[in-house]
Amino acid sequence: AQTVTQSQPEMSVQEAETVTLSCTYDTSESDYYLFWYKQPPSRQMILVIRQEAYKQQNATENRFSVNFQKAAKSFSLKISDSQLGDAAMYFCAYRSAFSGGGADGLTFGKGTHLIIQP
Amino acid sequence: GAVVSQHPSWVICKSGTSVKIECRSLDFQATTMFWYRQFPKQSLMLMATSNEGSKATYEQGVEKDKFLINHASLTLSTLTVTSAHPEDSSFYICSASWTETLIFFGQGTRLTVV
Repeated sequence: AQTVTQSQPEMSVQEAETVTLSCTYDTSESDYYLFWYKQPPSRQMILVIRQEAYKQQNATENRFSVNFQKAAKSFSLKISDSQLGDAAMYFCAYRSAFSGGGADGLTFGKGTHLIIQP
Repeated sequence: GAVVSQHPSWVICKSGTSVKIECRSLDFQATTMFWYRQFPKQSLMLMATSNEGSKATYEQGVEKDKFLINHASLTLSTLTVTSAHPEDSSFYICSASWTETLIFFGQGTRLTVV
């Protein structure tokens, strides 16, 4: 079974600064997908960024980027120019690619609570 | 973009009664939907995979007779919590996959059993 570990229960950053959230995972599979989701107080899960394991290039979405190290099984999220609206719980998630057609659910880490200091 | 709608947003029920939660994919057909449970200040735990036209697949430790899942159409999956007890109080979230990497979540349902 796959496991996802987020070792930072809480992180704090000054507005406009950069913060990196850590995520490691354990799997014996060679093909899989990785995600970062944001959960604000409304509890609606919002996709931040996604990465296919077969792609070597790190995914980027505006102020959000990842550092994907497949050999190290590490998938960190960097948020640049932090904004007050970025305050939320951030979950790292893993999905197997073996089922095909998206038949596997997500395995989530325990989350990191991100605080933005004005 | 694609939207998954979940209802109700919150529900309070008496111990011993049953509660049904609906999950609809509004913009696409979903042959597979997923149900998660989230305790306060904790992560999401996959409960079961809902398959259109066939039985749901439950994760280890999830009571299939307590959490009944029906995926009657390509756009609707329901989760029924039967004979609810206070320990079933939690936040339940559904999701549906548009592609392997585009996964959308419902708004969640806060269930309180009194």
